Amino acid sequence: DQQVKQNSPSLSVQEGRISILNCDYTNSMFDYFLWYKKYPAEGPTFLISISSIKDKNEDGRFTVFLNKSAKHLSLHIVPSQPGDSAVYFCAASGMGGADGLTFGKGTHLIIQP
Amino acid sequence: NAGVMQNPRHLVRRRGQEARLRCSPMKGHSHVYWYRQLPEEGLKFMVYLQKENIIDESGMPKERFSAEFPKEGPSILRIQQVVRGDSAAYFCASSPNSANTEAFFGQGTRLTVV
Repeated sequence: DQQVKQNSPSLSVQEGRISILNCDYTNSMFDYFLWYKKYPAEGPTFLISISSIKDKNEDGRFTVFLNKSAKHLSLHIVPSQPGDSAVYFCAASGMGGADGLTFGKGTHLIIQP
Repeated sequence: NAGVMQNPRHLVRRRGQEARLRCSPMKGHSHVYWYRQLPEEGLKFMVYLQKENIIDESGMPKERFSAEFPKEGPSILRIQQVVRGDSAAYFCASSPNSANTEAFFGQGTRLTVV
């Protein structure tokens, strides 16, 4: 029973273009969403988050969009850079973020030169 | 300012042995979360602890697994009588409060049961 789904195991994008990573969730109790980036043999690194009271949050090259009615969120990275190549995890939480996170399986983003 | 330190990085145990995984949170952090990542899967929440208290252990298997975060020293995740299915990467995260946006992850311990 996967409550957070990332349906694309991998995504290949050309350097300089926009990368769009998608995430769907099923639990309507989730009210806080986060994106993490993970390199091999390292722990996840927090990237950006969004509360359910918002539909967009932007931080530099990273923007997260939330569509509550569709239970869908997406992470946009523009422009994509070689260092962005990593596995990206979508995570969700209830209680405004103050409990354990539910993670998706991740999307492996590959930035091609 | 050292980050979250997990040790050992790699741990090999035979079936039936005990595994002890340690997590030293960042300085000033009193909240610790443990997650497990099975191959080809996302991270799964196991337990949330504050100093000397277990706040939420809803993700912990009912048997063989236990966790503690004593007043002094690191948080310990203990797995008794390990089985092959326990082979996974175990990650610890720490934060100064309960907000996950301020949680920093360690590099993980990769447990292999042979």
